[in-house]
Amino acid sequence: NAGVTQTPKFRVLKTGQSMTLLCAQDMNHEYMYWYRQDPGMGLRLIHYSVGEGTTAKGEVPDGYNVSRLKKQNFLLGLESAAPSQTSVYFCASSFGLGTEPHEQYFGPGTRLTVT
Amino acid sequence: AQKITQTQPGMFVQEKEAVTLDCTYDTSDPSYGLFWYKQPSSGEMIFLIYQGSYDQQNATEGRYSLNFQKARKSANLVISASQLGDSAMYFCAMRERTYNTDKLIFGTGTRLQVFP
Repeated sequence: NAGVTQTPKFRVLKTGQSMTLLCAQDMNHEYMYWYRQDPGMGLRLIHYSVGEGTTAKGEVPDGYNVSRLKKQNFLLGLESAAPSQTSVYFCASSFGLGTEPHEQYFGPGTRLTVT
Repeated sequence: AQKITQTQPGMFVQEKEAVTLDCTYDTSDPSYGLFWYKQPSSGEMIFLIYQGSYDQQNATEGRYSLNFQKARKSANLVISASQLGDSAMYFCAMRERTYNTDKLIFGTGTRLQVFP
């Protein structure tokens, strides 16, 4: 049981390049999330999904797109990377339904640098 | 809009002592949940403790307890008998939940350093 995994762990992009971050979970969770963490700002929600085939915008969605074609995977795309997208990206998942507390389980993070 | 505030950027505590990390929140929803997560220097986010808004008693998990004061809208984390391994960033978060959303709103965190 690997929990939540993220690929890649590190990446350096040049401004304007594109990339996709992959998140996978093996806990049969309904809900999945993408956050970014910047110094002094805590975690901010980018996009999330409440089930296979669904996506929704979070607090800071601009410049990102997501897809949830399979229940276990949640992809985060950067179409044209900008230096402002330099950050640590976390994926998380939760059951979302049934008995509380529905804590979110986090992946190890992806450190992205855009030059 | 819901908001979480952590006013302590950093805290120091001596090993074996207790420490309280502050968290205040703002919401108009009658039903909500409050979480604390730990982020050690390795970077992963570790769930510590949860308090539901209708829970009658304060949550406890081992050395962690949550001092929940609903009228004051505070949900402070108390760590008893601090250990060197408790040195980390600690985040308070509040659940925002509707019929088709389930999101966490995080505070900016408190860095705890435990010294011998």
